[in-house]
Amino acid sequence: QKEVEQNSGPLSVPEGAIASLNCTYSDRGSQSFFWYRQYSGKSPELIMSIYSNGDKEDGRFTAQLNKASQYVSLLIRDSQPSDSATYLCASMNRDDKIIFGKGTRLHILP
Amino acid sequence: EAQVTQNPRYLITVTGKKLTVTCSQNMNHEYMSWYRQDPGLGLRQIYYSMNVEVTDKGDVPEGYKVSRKEKRNFPLILESPSPNQTSLYFCASSLSGVNGYTFGSGTRLTVV
Repeated sequence: QKEVEQNSGPLSVPEGAIASLNCTYSDRGSQSFFWYRQYSGKSPELIMSIYSNGDKEDGRFTAQLNKASQYVSLLIRDSQPSDSATYLCASMNRDDKIIFGKGTRLHILP
Repeated sequence: EAQVTQNPRYLITVTGKKLTVTCSQNMNHEYMSWYRQDPGLGLRQIYYSMNVEVTDKGDVPEGYKVSRKEKRNFPLILESPSPNQTSLYFCASSLSGVNGYTFGSGTRLTVV
């Protein structure tokens, strides 16, 4: 069974600091990777996608991919209380099937 | 507004009574998918579709049916619901999969 693993948290980060969220995946055939944010009681919202090794930046968010280590991460700079949510990592394999991790709860401390 | 619309938002039903959860998207997306989300188990894919009349099983397809007769609609059918299908269900769509999915607001289903 191909899996995406995340630490469930909660991860507590002071306001203004950098939050670092990590994810590993088992399927070496995975081609595309995604980070979703889910507020309690709401649906997941896509915040970043990454396909190539290296970093991809979008505003306060940076996604990092290392295919050799099968590792994906999300950095959130200048963390805000509104960033408090569950962050879901997902991978898509060659069959276009998407597998989600169970999510990491992030809590930004005011 | 570009969106994925699911109905109903909340549903309580009895064991064995057939039900359909509708899903519609207005973005002309090729890909559509159904997920269920359960505490401690995360999001699990039930079925997905990459085009009209093309559907594939996800990780937990037992007890569910889907159809994709039109590009915009992807209903989820529970022929004989059981209490273990009590869950939060999400429909999602994507232009091509690699773009990531847009999720609907969710349907909270309780089977008693």
